[in-house]
Amino acid sequence: EPEVTQTPSHQVTQMGQEVILRCVPISNHLYFYWYRQILGQKVEFLVSFYNNEISEKSEIFDDQFSVERPDGSNFTLKIRSTKLEDSAMYFCASSAGTGLGTQYFGPGTRLTVL
Amino acid sequence: AQTVTQSQPEMSVQEAETVTLSCTYDTSESDYYLFWYKQPPSRQMILVIRQEAYKQQNATENRFSVNFQKAAKSFSLKISDSQLGDAAMYFCAYFILDSNYQLIWGAGTKLIIKP
Repeated sequence: EPEVTQTPSHQVTQMGQEVILRCVPISNHLYFYWYRQILGQKVEFLVSFYNNEISEKSEIFDDQFSVERPDGSNFTLKIRSTKLEDSAMYFCASSAGTGLGTQYFGPGTRLTVL
Repeated sequence: AQTVTQSQPEMSVQEAETVTLSCTYDTSESDYYLFWYKQPPSRQMILVIRQEAYKQQNATENRFSVNFQKAAKSFSLKISDSQLGDAAMYFCAYFILDSNYQLIWGAGTKLIIKP
């Protein structure tokens, strides 16, 4: 069964450093998403991506964040200058299309900012 | 405001028994999809079940079923014959069709299975 994959599973970085979180969505999916979950808190939407551009982004997704689909398979989230409060679980998700709707999630990347 | 409320921070059930997790949501839209996701200690987010709001019939998936009450904006999850592997956080979520498709999430219910 196809699945969303994410790498790395755990990333530790120093405050102020750049990180890139990688995702490989399900191959025939067209819509891609990033969510984050700070430990003990709700899952929060960051950004959605379709047709090589951002469809929607939340207030959390400020200028420090960017997304890219550099090739036909990868979908990346970059945080330019990490802050302590960026420590969270980051989930990538993909869906086949608007009418089909269900978002399938990757296993997540745990980001720890020291 | 679009919100999801899961009023039970924690629930426990005896193995093999049935448990119901509650969820209410608030939206003025009429076309949306509702979901239950499971998050075990590994923290992976796993789809449990989904319900299209236009469908009156409640979704079922093996031991998992929902009680969808659209007028009351209620979407509870029933787990029958609970198993130790069901222990996890359970999140209720929805998105609105023809919008940005971002999932709106509840705070989660921690389900404990007693052997």
